[in-house]
Formats: sequence, C-alpha cells, structure tokens
Amino acid sequence: GAVVSQHPSRVICKSGTSVKIECRSLDFQATTMFWYRQFPKQSLMLMATSNEGSKATYEQGVEKDKFLINHASLTLSTLTVTSAHPEDSSFYICSARDAGLGGEKLFFGSGTQLSVL
Amino acid sequence: AQTVTQSQPEMSVQEAETVTLSCTYDTSESDYYLFWYKQPPSRQMILVIRQEAYKQQNATENRFSVNFQKAAKSFSLKISDSQLGDAAMYFCAYSGGNQFYFGTGTSLTVIP
Repeated sequence: GAVVSQHPSRVICKSGTSVKIECRSLDFQATTMFWYRQFPKQSLMLMATSNEGSKATYEQGVEKDKFLINHASLTLSTLTVTSAHPEDSSFYICSARDAGLGGEKLFFGSGTQLSVL
Repeated sequence: AQTVTQSQPEMSVQEAETVTLSCTYDTSESDYYLFWYKQPPSRQMILVIRQEAYKQQNATENRFSVNFQKAAKSFSLKISDSQLGDAAMYFCAYSGGNQFYFGTGTSLTVIP
C-alpha cells in the first residue's frame, strides 16, 4: 500500500523555539494533506487541511500563526510549531489523501511526539 | 457541519467471538466515503475497511465487514473470529468534499 513518511518521530525542544515536522507521500501525489493533533487516549483532532500550492485551511480554534503549514509540492507538507510552549506538547499526525484509481483513501504518517520543556 | 459519533468508548470481546462497533455520522453531502481505522499502541493509523456511499453493497475485508445504512447514517464495523491482535483503538471516519473527520474512538479489548 501507499506510504507516508513523517519525520521526526520524536522531538524535544525548549520553550520558545520552533519545530518543523515533515510529511511526505512516497509513492503517490497528494494534492491534499491533513494535520491532526492527538492527546492521550483521545481521538484525532483535525488542525488544518493543506492543499498543494495554496494556503492551508485551519479549523476553528487553531492559530494559523502558531502552526505554520506549507504544502509546496505534491509530495511534501510541513508543519512548523512556532515559539513552542509546554501546552503544545502533543502527538501530531499527518495524513495524505490518495484520490487515484480505486477511489479515495487516506494514508497516515507514523506521528511525531513533541515535548516542549 | 459534518460529525462522526462513536457511542461506545470501550468494548470487549472474547477471542474467536464476534463484536460490532457502532458509528453514526451527520452530513448534507450525497457522495462521500466512510472508513474504519485501527490504532494499536504503536499509534500508527491502519486502514481497516472503506465504504463508498454510492455503493449499496456492504464492504468486507476478510474478518471485517460493515453494515452501512445510508438513510440512517449508520456505519457499524463487525469483527468476526476476534484475535488478540485486534485489540486497539478503532476510529470511524468520514470523508466528504475536502474534509476528513474522525469519531471519538472505541477501545477494543480482546479477552483470551
């Protein structure tokens, strides 16, 4: 099946620094990628929808200036957590939509555990 | 707004038995997709099964099958011959337009 690569898998940073998370679709072109945040034992909360070549669409309550999303190519989307604070500590998951032959499917990266000290 | 509801936060099943996980959704779209994803302790999201709304026939994947009731906006997952490896969080998901939403999840325990 299709593969989505997400890096890094784990990052620890100091408060006030910025962290970039990469999400790549390895064997298909993803015009749309999604970024989710997941707290322990909870569901995936959609943060934003990232469309190639255009600005991301953020869900209500998600600060677009804090969570910068760039989708410059059909295979790469990045999420930058700017000026990170301890409350930003969470598990972040990206996913890429494959709307090719066989119908729509969504493939997930392995997630990034962010810990802000 | 589209919503996905899973009313069972936890379920358990005896190994080799059958269990059904419930999911309802709300949408104004006529064409959409529904999914069940499994998230084991590794937290990697794994696609279990997918249903296209315009297809009346229920999707099946080996031991996994769905009961899709479009008029009732219901999409339940049946796991037959449950195995220990089926233990995980299960999320129902909806995709329509350019949006993709998940339910709150059901934690499935498989009892040996």
